Formats: sequence, C-alpha cells, structure tokens
Amino acid sequence: EAGVTQFPSHSVIEKGQTVTLRCDPISGHDNLYWYRRVMGKEIKFLLHFVKESKQDESGMPNNRFLAERTGGTYSTLKVQPAELEDSGVYFCASSLRDGETYEQYFGPGTRLTVT
Amino acid sequence: AQSVAQPEDQVNVAEGNPLTVKCTYSVSGNPYLFWYVQYPNRGLQFLLKYITGDNLVKGSYGFEAEFNKSQTSFHLKKPSALVSDSALYFCAVRDDSIYNQGGKLIFGQGTELSVKP
Repeated sequence: EAGVTQFPSHSVIEKGQTVTLRCDPISGHDNLYWYRRVMGKEIKFLLHFVKESKQDESGMPNNRFLAERTGGTYSTLKVQPAELEDSGVYFCASSLRDGETYEQYFGPGTRLTVT
Repeated sequence: AQSVAQPEDQVNVAEGNPLTVKCTYSVSGNPYLFWYVQYPNRGLQFLLKYITGDNLVKGSYGFEAEFNKSQTSFHLKKPSALVSDSALYFCAVRDDSIYNQGGKLIFGQGTELSVKP
C-alpha cells in the first residue's frame, strides 16, 4: 500500500512569490490534514478535510494560505504571497473516516524556504 | 486547553542502555496519546498509541510507553537503545475538545534522541 506522498520535497522561493504544495493521501482515506513545523518548534495543525469539505481550518495562519481538495482525493496548499515567516516543513497526513484508532499517517513533508 | 510538553530538547544515551523520552499532557477528557518518530530526511512514522486499556503500550521497533493517569504522563521507553534509534521523537494528543470534530493532533516540541556506540 502506498503511503502519503508530498510534492515537492523542497522549495526555495523569494518573498512575495507563490508556492503550491501537493499532498496525495493513502487511497481510501477520507480524512486529510495539513500541519506545519516552523523553526524547530512544535508541529502545529493547519486544517482538516473530510473528503472535499473543510472540517476545521482553525489553524490556518492568515488568508495568504489557501487549501483545496477537489474531488476528495489529493490536496493542495497554496501560499500567496509568501512571507519569510512561512518557512518551515509542511506535513500532510491522512486517516480513515471511521477508524477507531484515530491513527494518522504522515507524508515526508515539504521543506519550504522563503528568502 | 489540550497541550503536550516534552521537557527535554535532547536525550543522550549509550547503545545498549535503556532510554526514556518524557512526555506530559493536559486534556479535558480521556486522553488519546501517540508517539511519532522522524528519522533524518524522512516523514513522521507512527510508533504507538494509547486509547484505552493496559497502561503499558507496546509499539514498533521495540518501543513501549507507559500511560500514567495520576502523573498525566506518557513516557516513551526502550530497554536497550540502538544507534539506529537516533531520531526526533514527538509526543501528541488527540484534541478532543467539543469544537474539534476531526481528531487533529496536538504535538509537543520534539525530543532529539542521540544514541552513541
């Protein structure tokens, strides 16, 4: 079974540019989550999809961040325009809709550097 | 508010010695607790979880964790450390507040484990 995949693995952009991160969850997982780890701090929740619907976006830092999950499959997270403080590692995770274990499977992350 | 604390930024142990990575939590209801590990240049990998039942939970790679309700702790342990265990370890709790309908995780800051030969 393929795991959660993320693309790109690294991205270096200049302040003011736009970047789009992609996440492909495990097939059949309705829940999809985005998290971010900034400057060696704790991993923080950004948002949660159930299929194509945003269930919880309370962790999104501001309106420069836009997440989509068209068709309930892969998801994109766009940052526009990027700021220096957006640098960090962006993780995607997925889990089963009605799984009792609440176990989330994480992708390898995208390391974003804004210069 | 739900929270997780990992009081040690780094833990150093010699290969073959037992290791402990500490985690304490604060939740309003029943805790659902997790340990994840991140090896260099890799994503987070699930190690083990506590949902209910026995306080001693066994997981992957010989790791185990002890749930202690009175001390609100969920320390990760291994009887004999390997050099290959060197990695970044994260403790997490599932957010079970009434406003959370999705099981988002709240993480600690992470503990860097270094095992020397």
